[in-house]
Amino acid sequence: TQLLEQSPQFLSIQEGENLTVYCNSSSVFSSLQWYRQEPGEGPVLLVTVVTGGEVKKLKRLTFQFGDARKDSSLHITAAQPGDTGLYLCAGGYNQGGKLIFGQGTELSVKP
Amino acid sequence: DAMVIQNPRYQVTQFGKPVTLSCSQTLNHNVMYWYQQKSSQAPKLLFHYYDKDFNNEADTPDNFQSRRPNTSFCFLDIRSPGLGDAAMYLCATSRKIGSEKLFFGSGTQLSVL
Repeated sequence: TQLLEQSPQFLSIQEGENLTVYCNSSSVFSSLQWYRQEPGEGPVLLVTVVTGGEVKKLKRLTFQFGDARKDSSLHITAAQPGDTGLYLCAGGYNQGGKLIFGQGTELSVKP
Repeated sequence: DAMVIQNPRYQVTQFGKPVTLSCSQTLNHNVMYWYQQKSSQAPKLLFHYYDKDFNNEADTPDNFQSRRPNTSFCFLDIRSPGLGDAAMYLCATSRKIGSEKLFFGSGTQLSVL
């Protein structure tokens, strides 16, 4: 069974703090996507990483794909209340098959 | 401009009363998906269409059915909703299967009374 383990499941922090969310698997993925979902809305893609060791930055968000393409991390610097939401990682394969979603990390950033 | 549109945003139905959720897309994508999502959990894939080819997930109950009359529209039919079917239902599209990114609609929040 292909699994993506995401941790932590819940995270409540104060505005200005840094945080890291992890996404780990025993499977090798062709790509790893990160989505953010606000309450009452559908997930929105933040980034896709495809190369082992790749690092992508999106303002205060830094995404990294592990060298072996089995894991990924999302680091947020100086979190803001607007970062609050459910963060989902999803692994995919170029040769087809459905995306595999992690369980999600519920982030709450308090002012 | 919304590219994947789901209607209605909120749906209330009675226990056992059939309900249909709708999804339309302006992206002309080949693949359309239906996901069920319960509070603060990952979306769970129910089924998807690749063009007209229907692909059901092994653990999707028979109570859930889907129709795709054309490229743009896809429907989720719940034949006899139970209390456990109350959830957010998300429609998504992609160009092809695999590592393509998904475009999600805003979802339909279903309540079962």
